[in-house]
Amino acid sequence: DSGVTQTPKHLITATGQRVTLRCSPRSGDLSVYWYQQSLDQGLQFLIQYYNGEERAKGNILERFSAQQFPDLHSELNLSSLELGDSALYFCASSARGGQLGDTIYFGEGSWLTVV
Amino acid sequence: AQTVTQSQPEMSVQEAETVTLSCTYDTSESNYYLFWYKQPPSRQMILVIRQEAYKQQNATENRFSVNFQKAAKSFSLKISDSQLGDTAMYFCAFMKLLSVIQGAQKLVFGQGTRLTINP
Repeated sequence: DSGVTQTPKHLITATGQRVTLRCSPRSGDLSVYWYQQSLDQGLQFLIQYYNGEERAKGNILERFSAQQFPDLHSELNLSSLELGDSALYFCASSARGGQLGDTIYFGEGSWLTVV
Repeated sequence: AQTVTQSQPEMSVQEAETVTLSCTYDTSESNYYLFWYKQPPSRQMILVIRQEAYKQQNATENRFSVNFQKAAKSFSLKISDSQLGDTAMYFCAFMKLLSVIQGAQKLVFGQGTRLTINP
């Protein structure tokens, strides 16, 4: 158990809908990362937050947004869902952020299926 | 741009054998970190081992060790005395510091090697 908690574990929704994925980082970790794992794109970095502030953006679509709250939990919002958004979404955390070498610990992922 | 290449999509060995997974990367940076993660059928990403580029000594964690060749930009993972529980997808990853000021960083992953340990 990495200590990173993600909910829900599985989610099935229809095209055009909106969903929210939730993540609680390891106790004391200030950085949260979101990654998307799909069959054709592999593991792709979406976004990083550090202590409530956005730090880095990767291949995140405009239909997607995220935030990190004062209690350090994070949410990833996916809207206007398309079939191609079906993927495993990982949340990860690290103790600091921007400290090269920080070990990043992953949650179990939220499996999203868009039908 | 940093890239990570895992040239072996699939590998299969017998239990108790030693297996080596290959990984090469491309970067112009001098200081960086490399990681191996495993993803078993449960799909959780589990850290296996990490290597600091400025350290010449290869990292070791129990049955897992790496062969880090900085000049060749190679970072292979050796699993000794392989066990059935080692069956998983293995990902090599490069940690990229995006901005020192912003404190931004990300992991860049290879495409993975599916390892099967047979009884």
